[in-house]
Amino acid sequence: AQSVTQLGSHVSVSEGALVLLRCNYSSSVPPYLFWYVQYPNQGLQLLLKYTSAATLVKGINGFEAEFKKSETSFHLTKPSAHMSDAAEYFCAVSDGSNAGGTSYGKLTFGQGTILTVHP
Amino acid sequence: GAVVSQHPSRVICKSGTSVKIECRSLDFQATTMFWYRQFPKQSLMLMATSNEGSKATYEQGVEKDKFLINHASLTLSTLTVTSAHPEDSSFYICSARRGGARLYSYEQYFGPGTRLTVT
Repeated sequence: AQSVTQLGSHVSVSEGALVLLRCNYSSSVPPYLFWYVQYPNQGLQLLLKYTSAATLVKGINGFEAEFKKSETSFHLTKPSAHMSDAAEYFCAVSDGSNAGGTSYGKLTFGQGTILTVHP
Repeated sequence: GAVVSQHPSRVICKSGTSVKIECRSLDFQATTMFWYRQFPKQSLMLMATSNEGSKATYEQGVEKDKFLINHASLTLSTLTVTSAHPEDSSFYICSARRGGARLYSYEQYFGPGTRLTVT
């Protein structure tokens, strides 16, 4: 079984400040990990993914995340927040080991973190 | 590439009627599609996994007779909410996974969502 916990349902930062969104996961097999962003009334856009290659993953819009197995974490960061970053962010885990199975790629999402950026 | 569309984007229906939502992969073949439901200010909850040419696999607690899923082709899956009630009002999002054994076949590409309101 897999699960994801996002610490902090709301995070507020000033424009230009560091963004840190926390994600911890639980998985009985080596996980694939994802961060998605959702703007109001829209679907999800993939920011970045970890698939057992480099532990520091760079994504779109200046975001990056580091996979830390010892801490079972995959926190999302961005050095300098922009107003356009205001959105809801979801961390998700997938079982990457069951390739070819009918449920392969099934995602379990965290509760989401709403990021607010103040001018 | 990897664009997923949903139709309609918004629908309002009366209680007791049925509503069909389409999910299409526009530029790739999707052997697997996933249907999610998202209540306001909540995360995405997987409803069912749909594999082309076979019956959908429903998550625990999801009524398969109420939420009919058909995946008749490699580019189209439909979700029909039968005898809709106000509590079925929600944001429904589909995603699609590429077919084949390529390295990135685990990735899901999300549609823009359908807002269903049952009056």
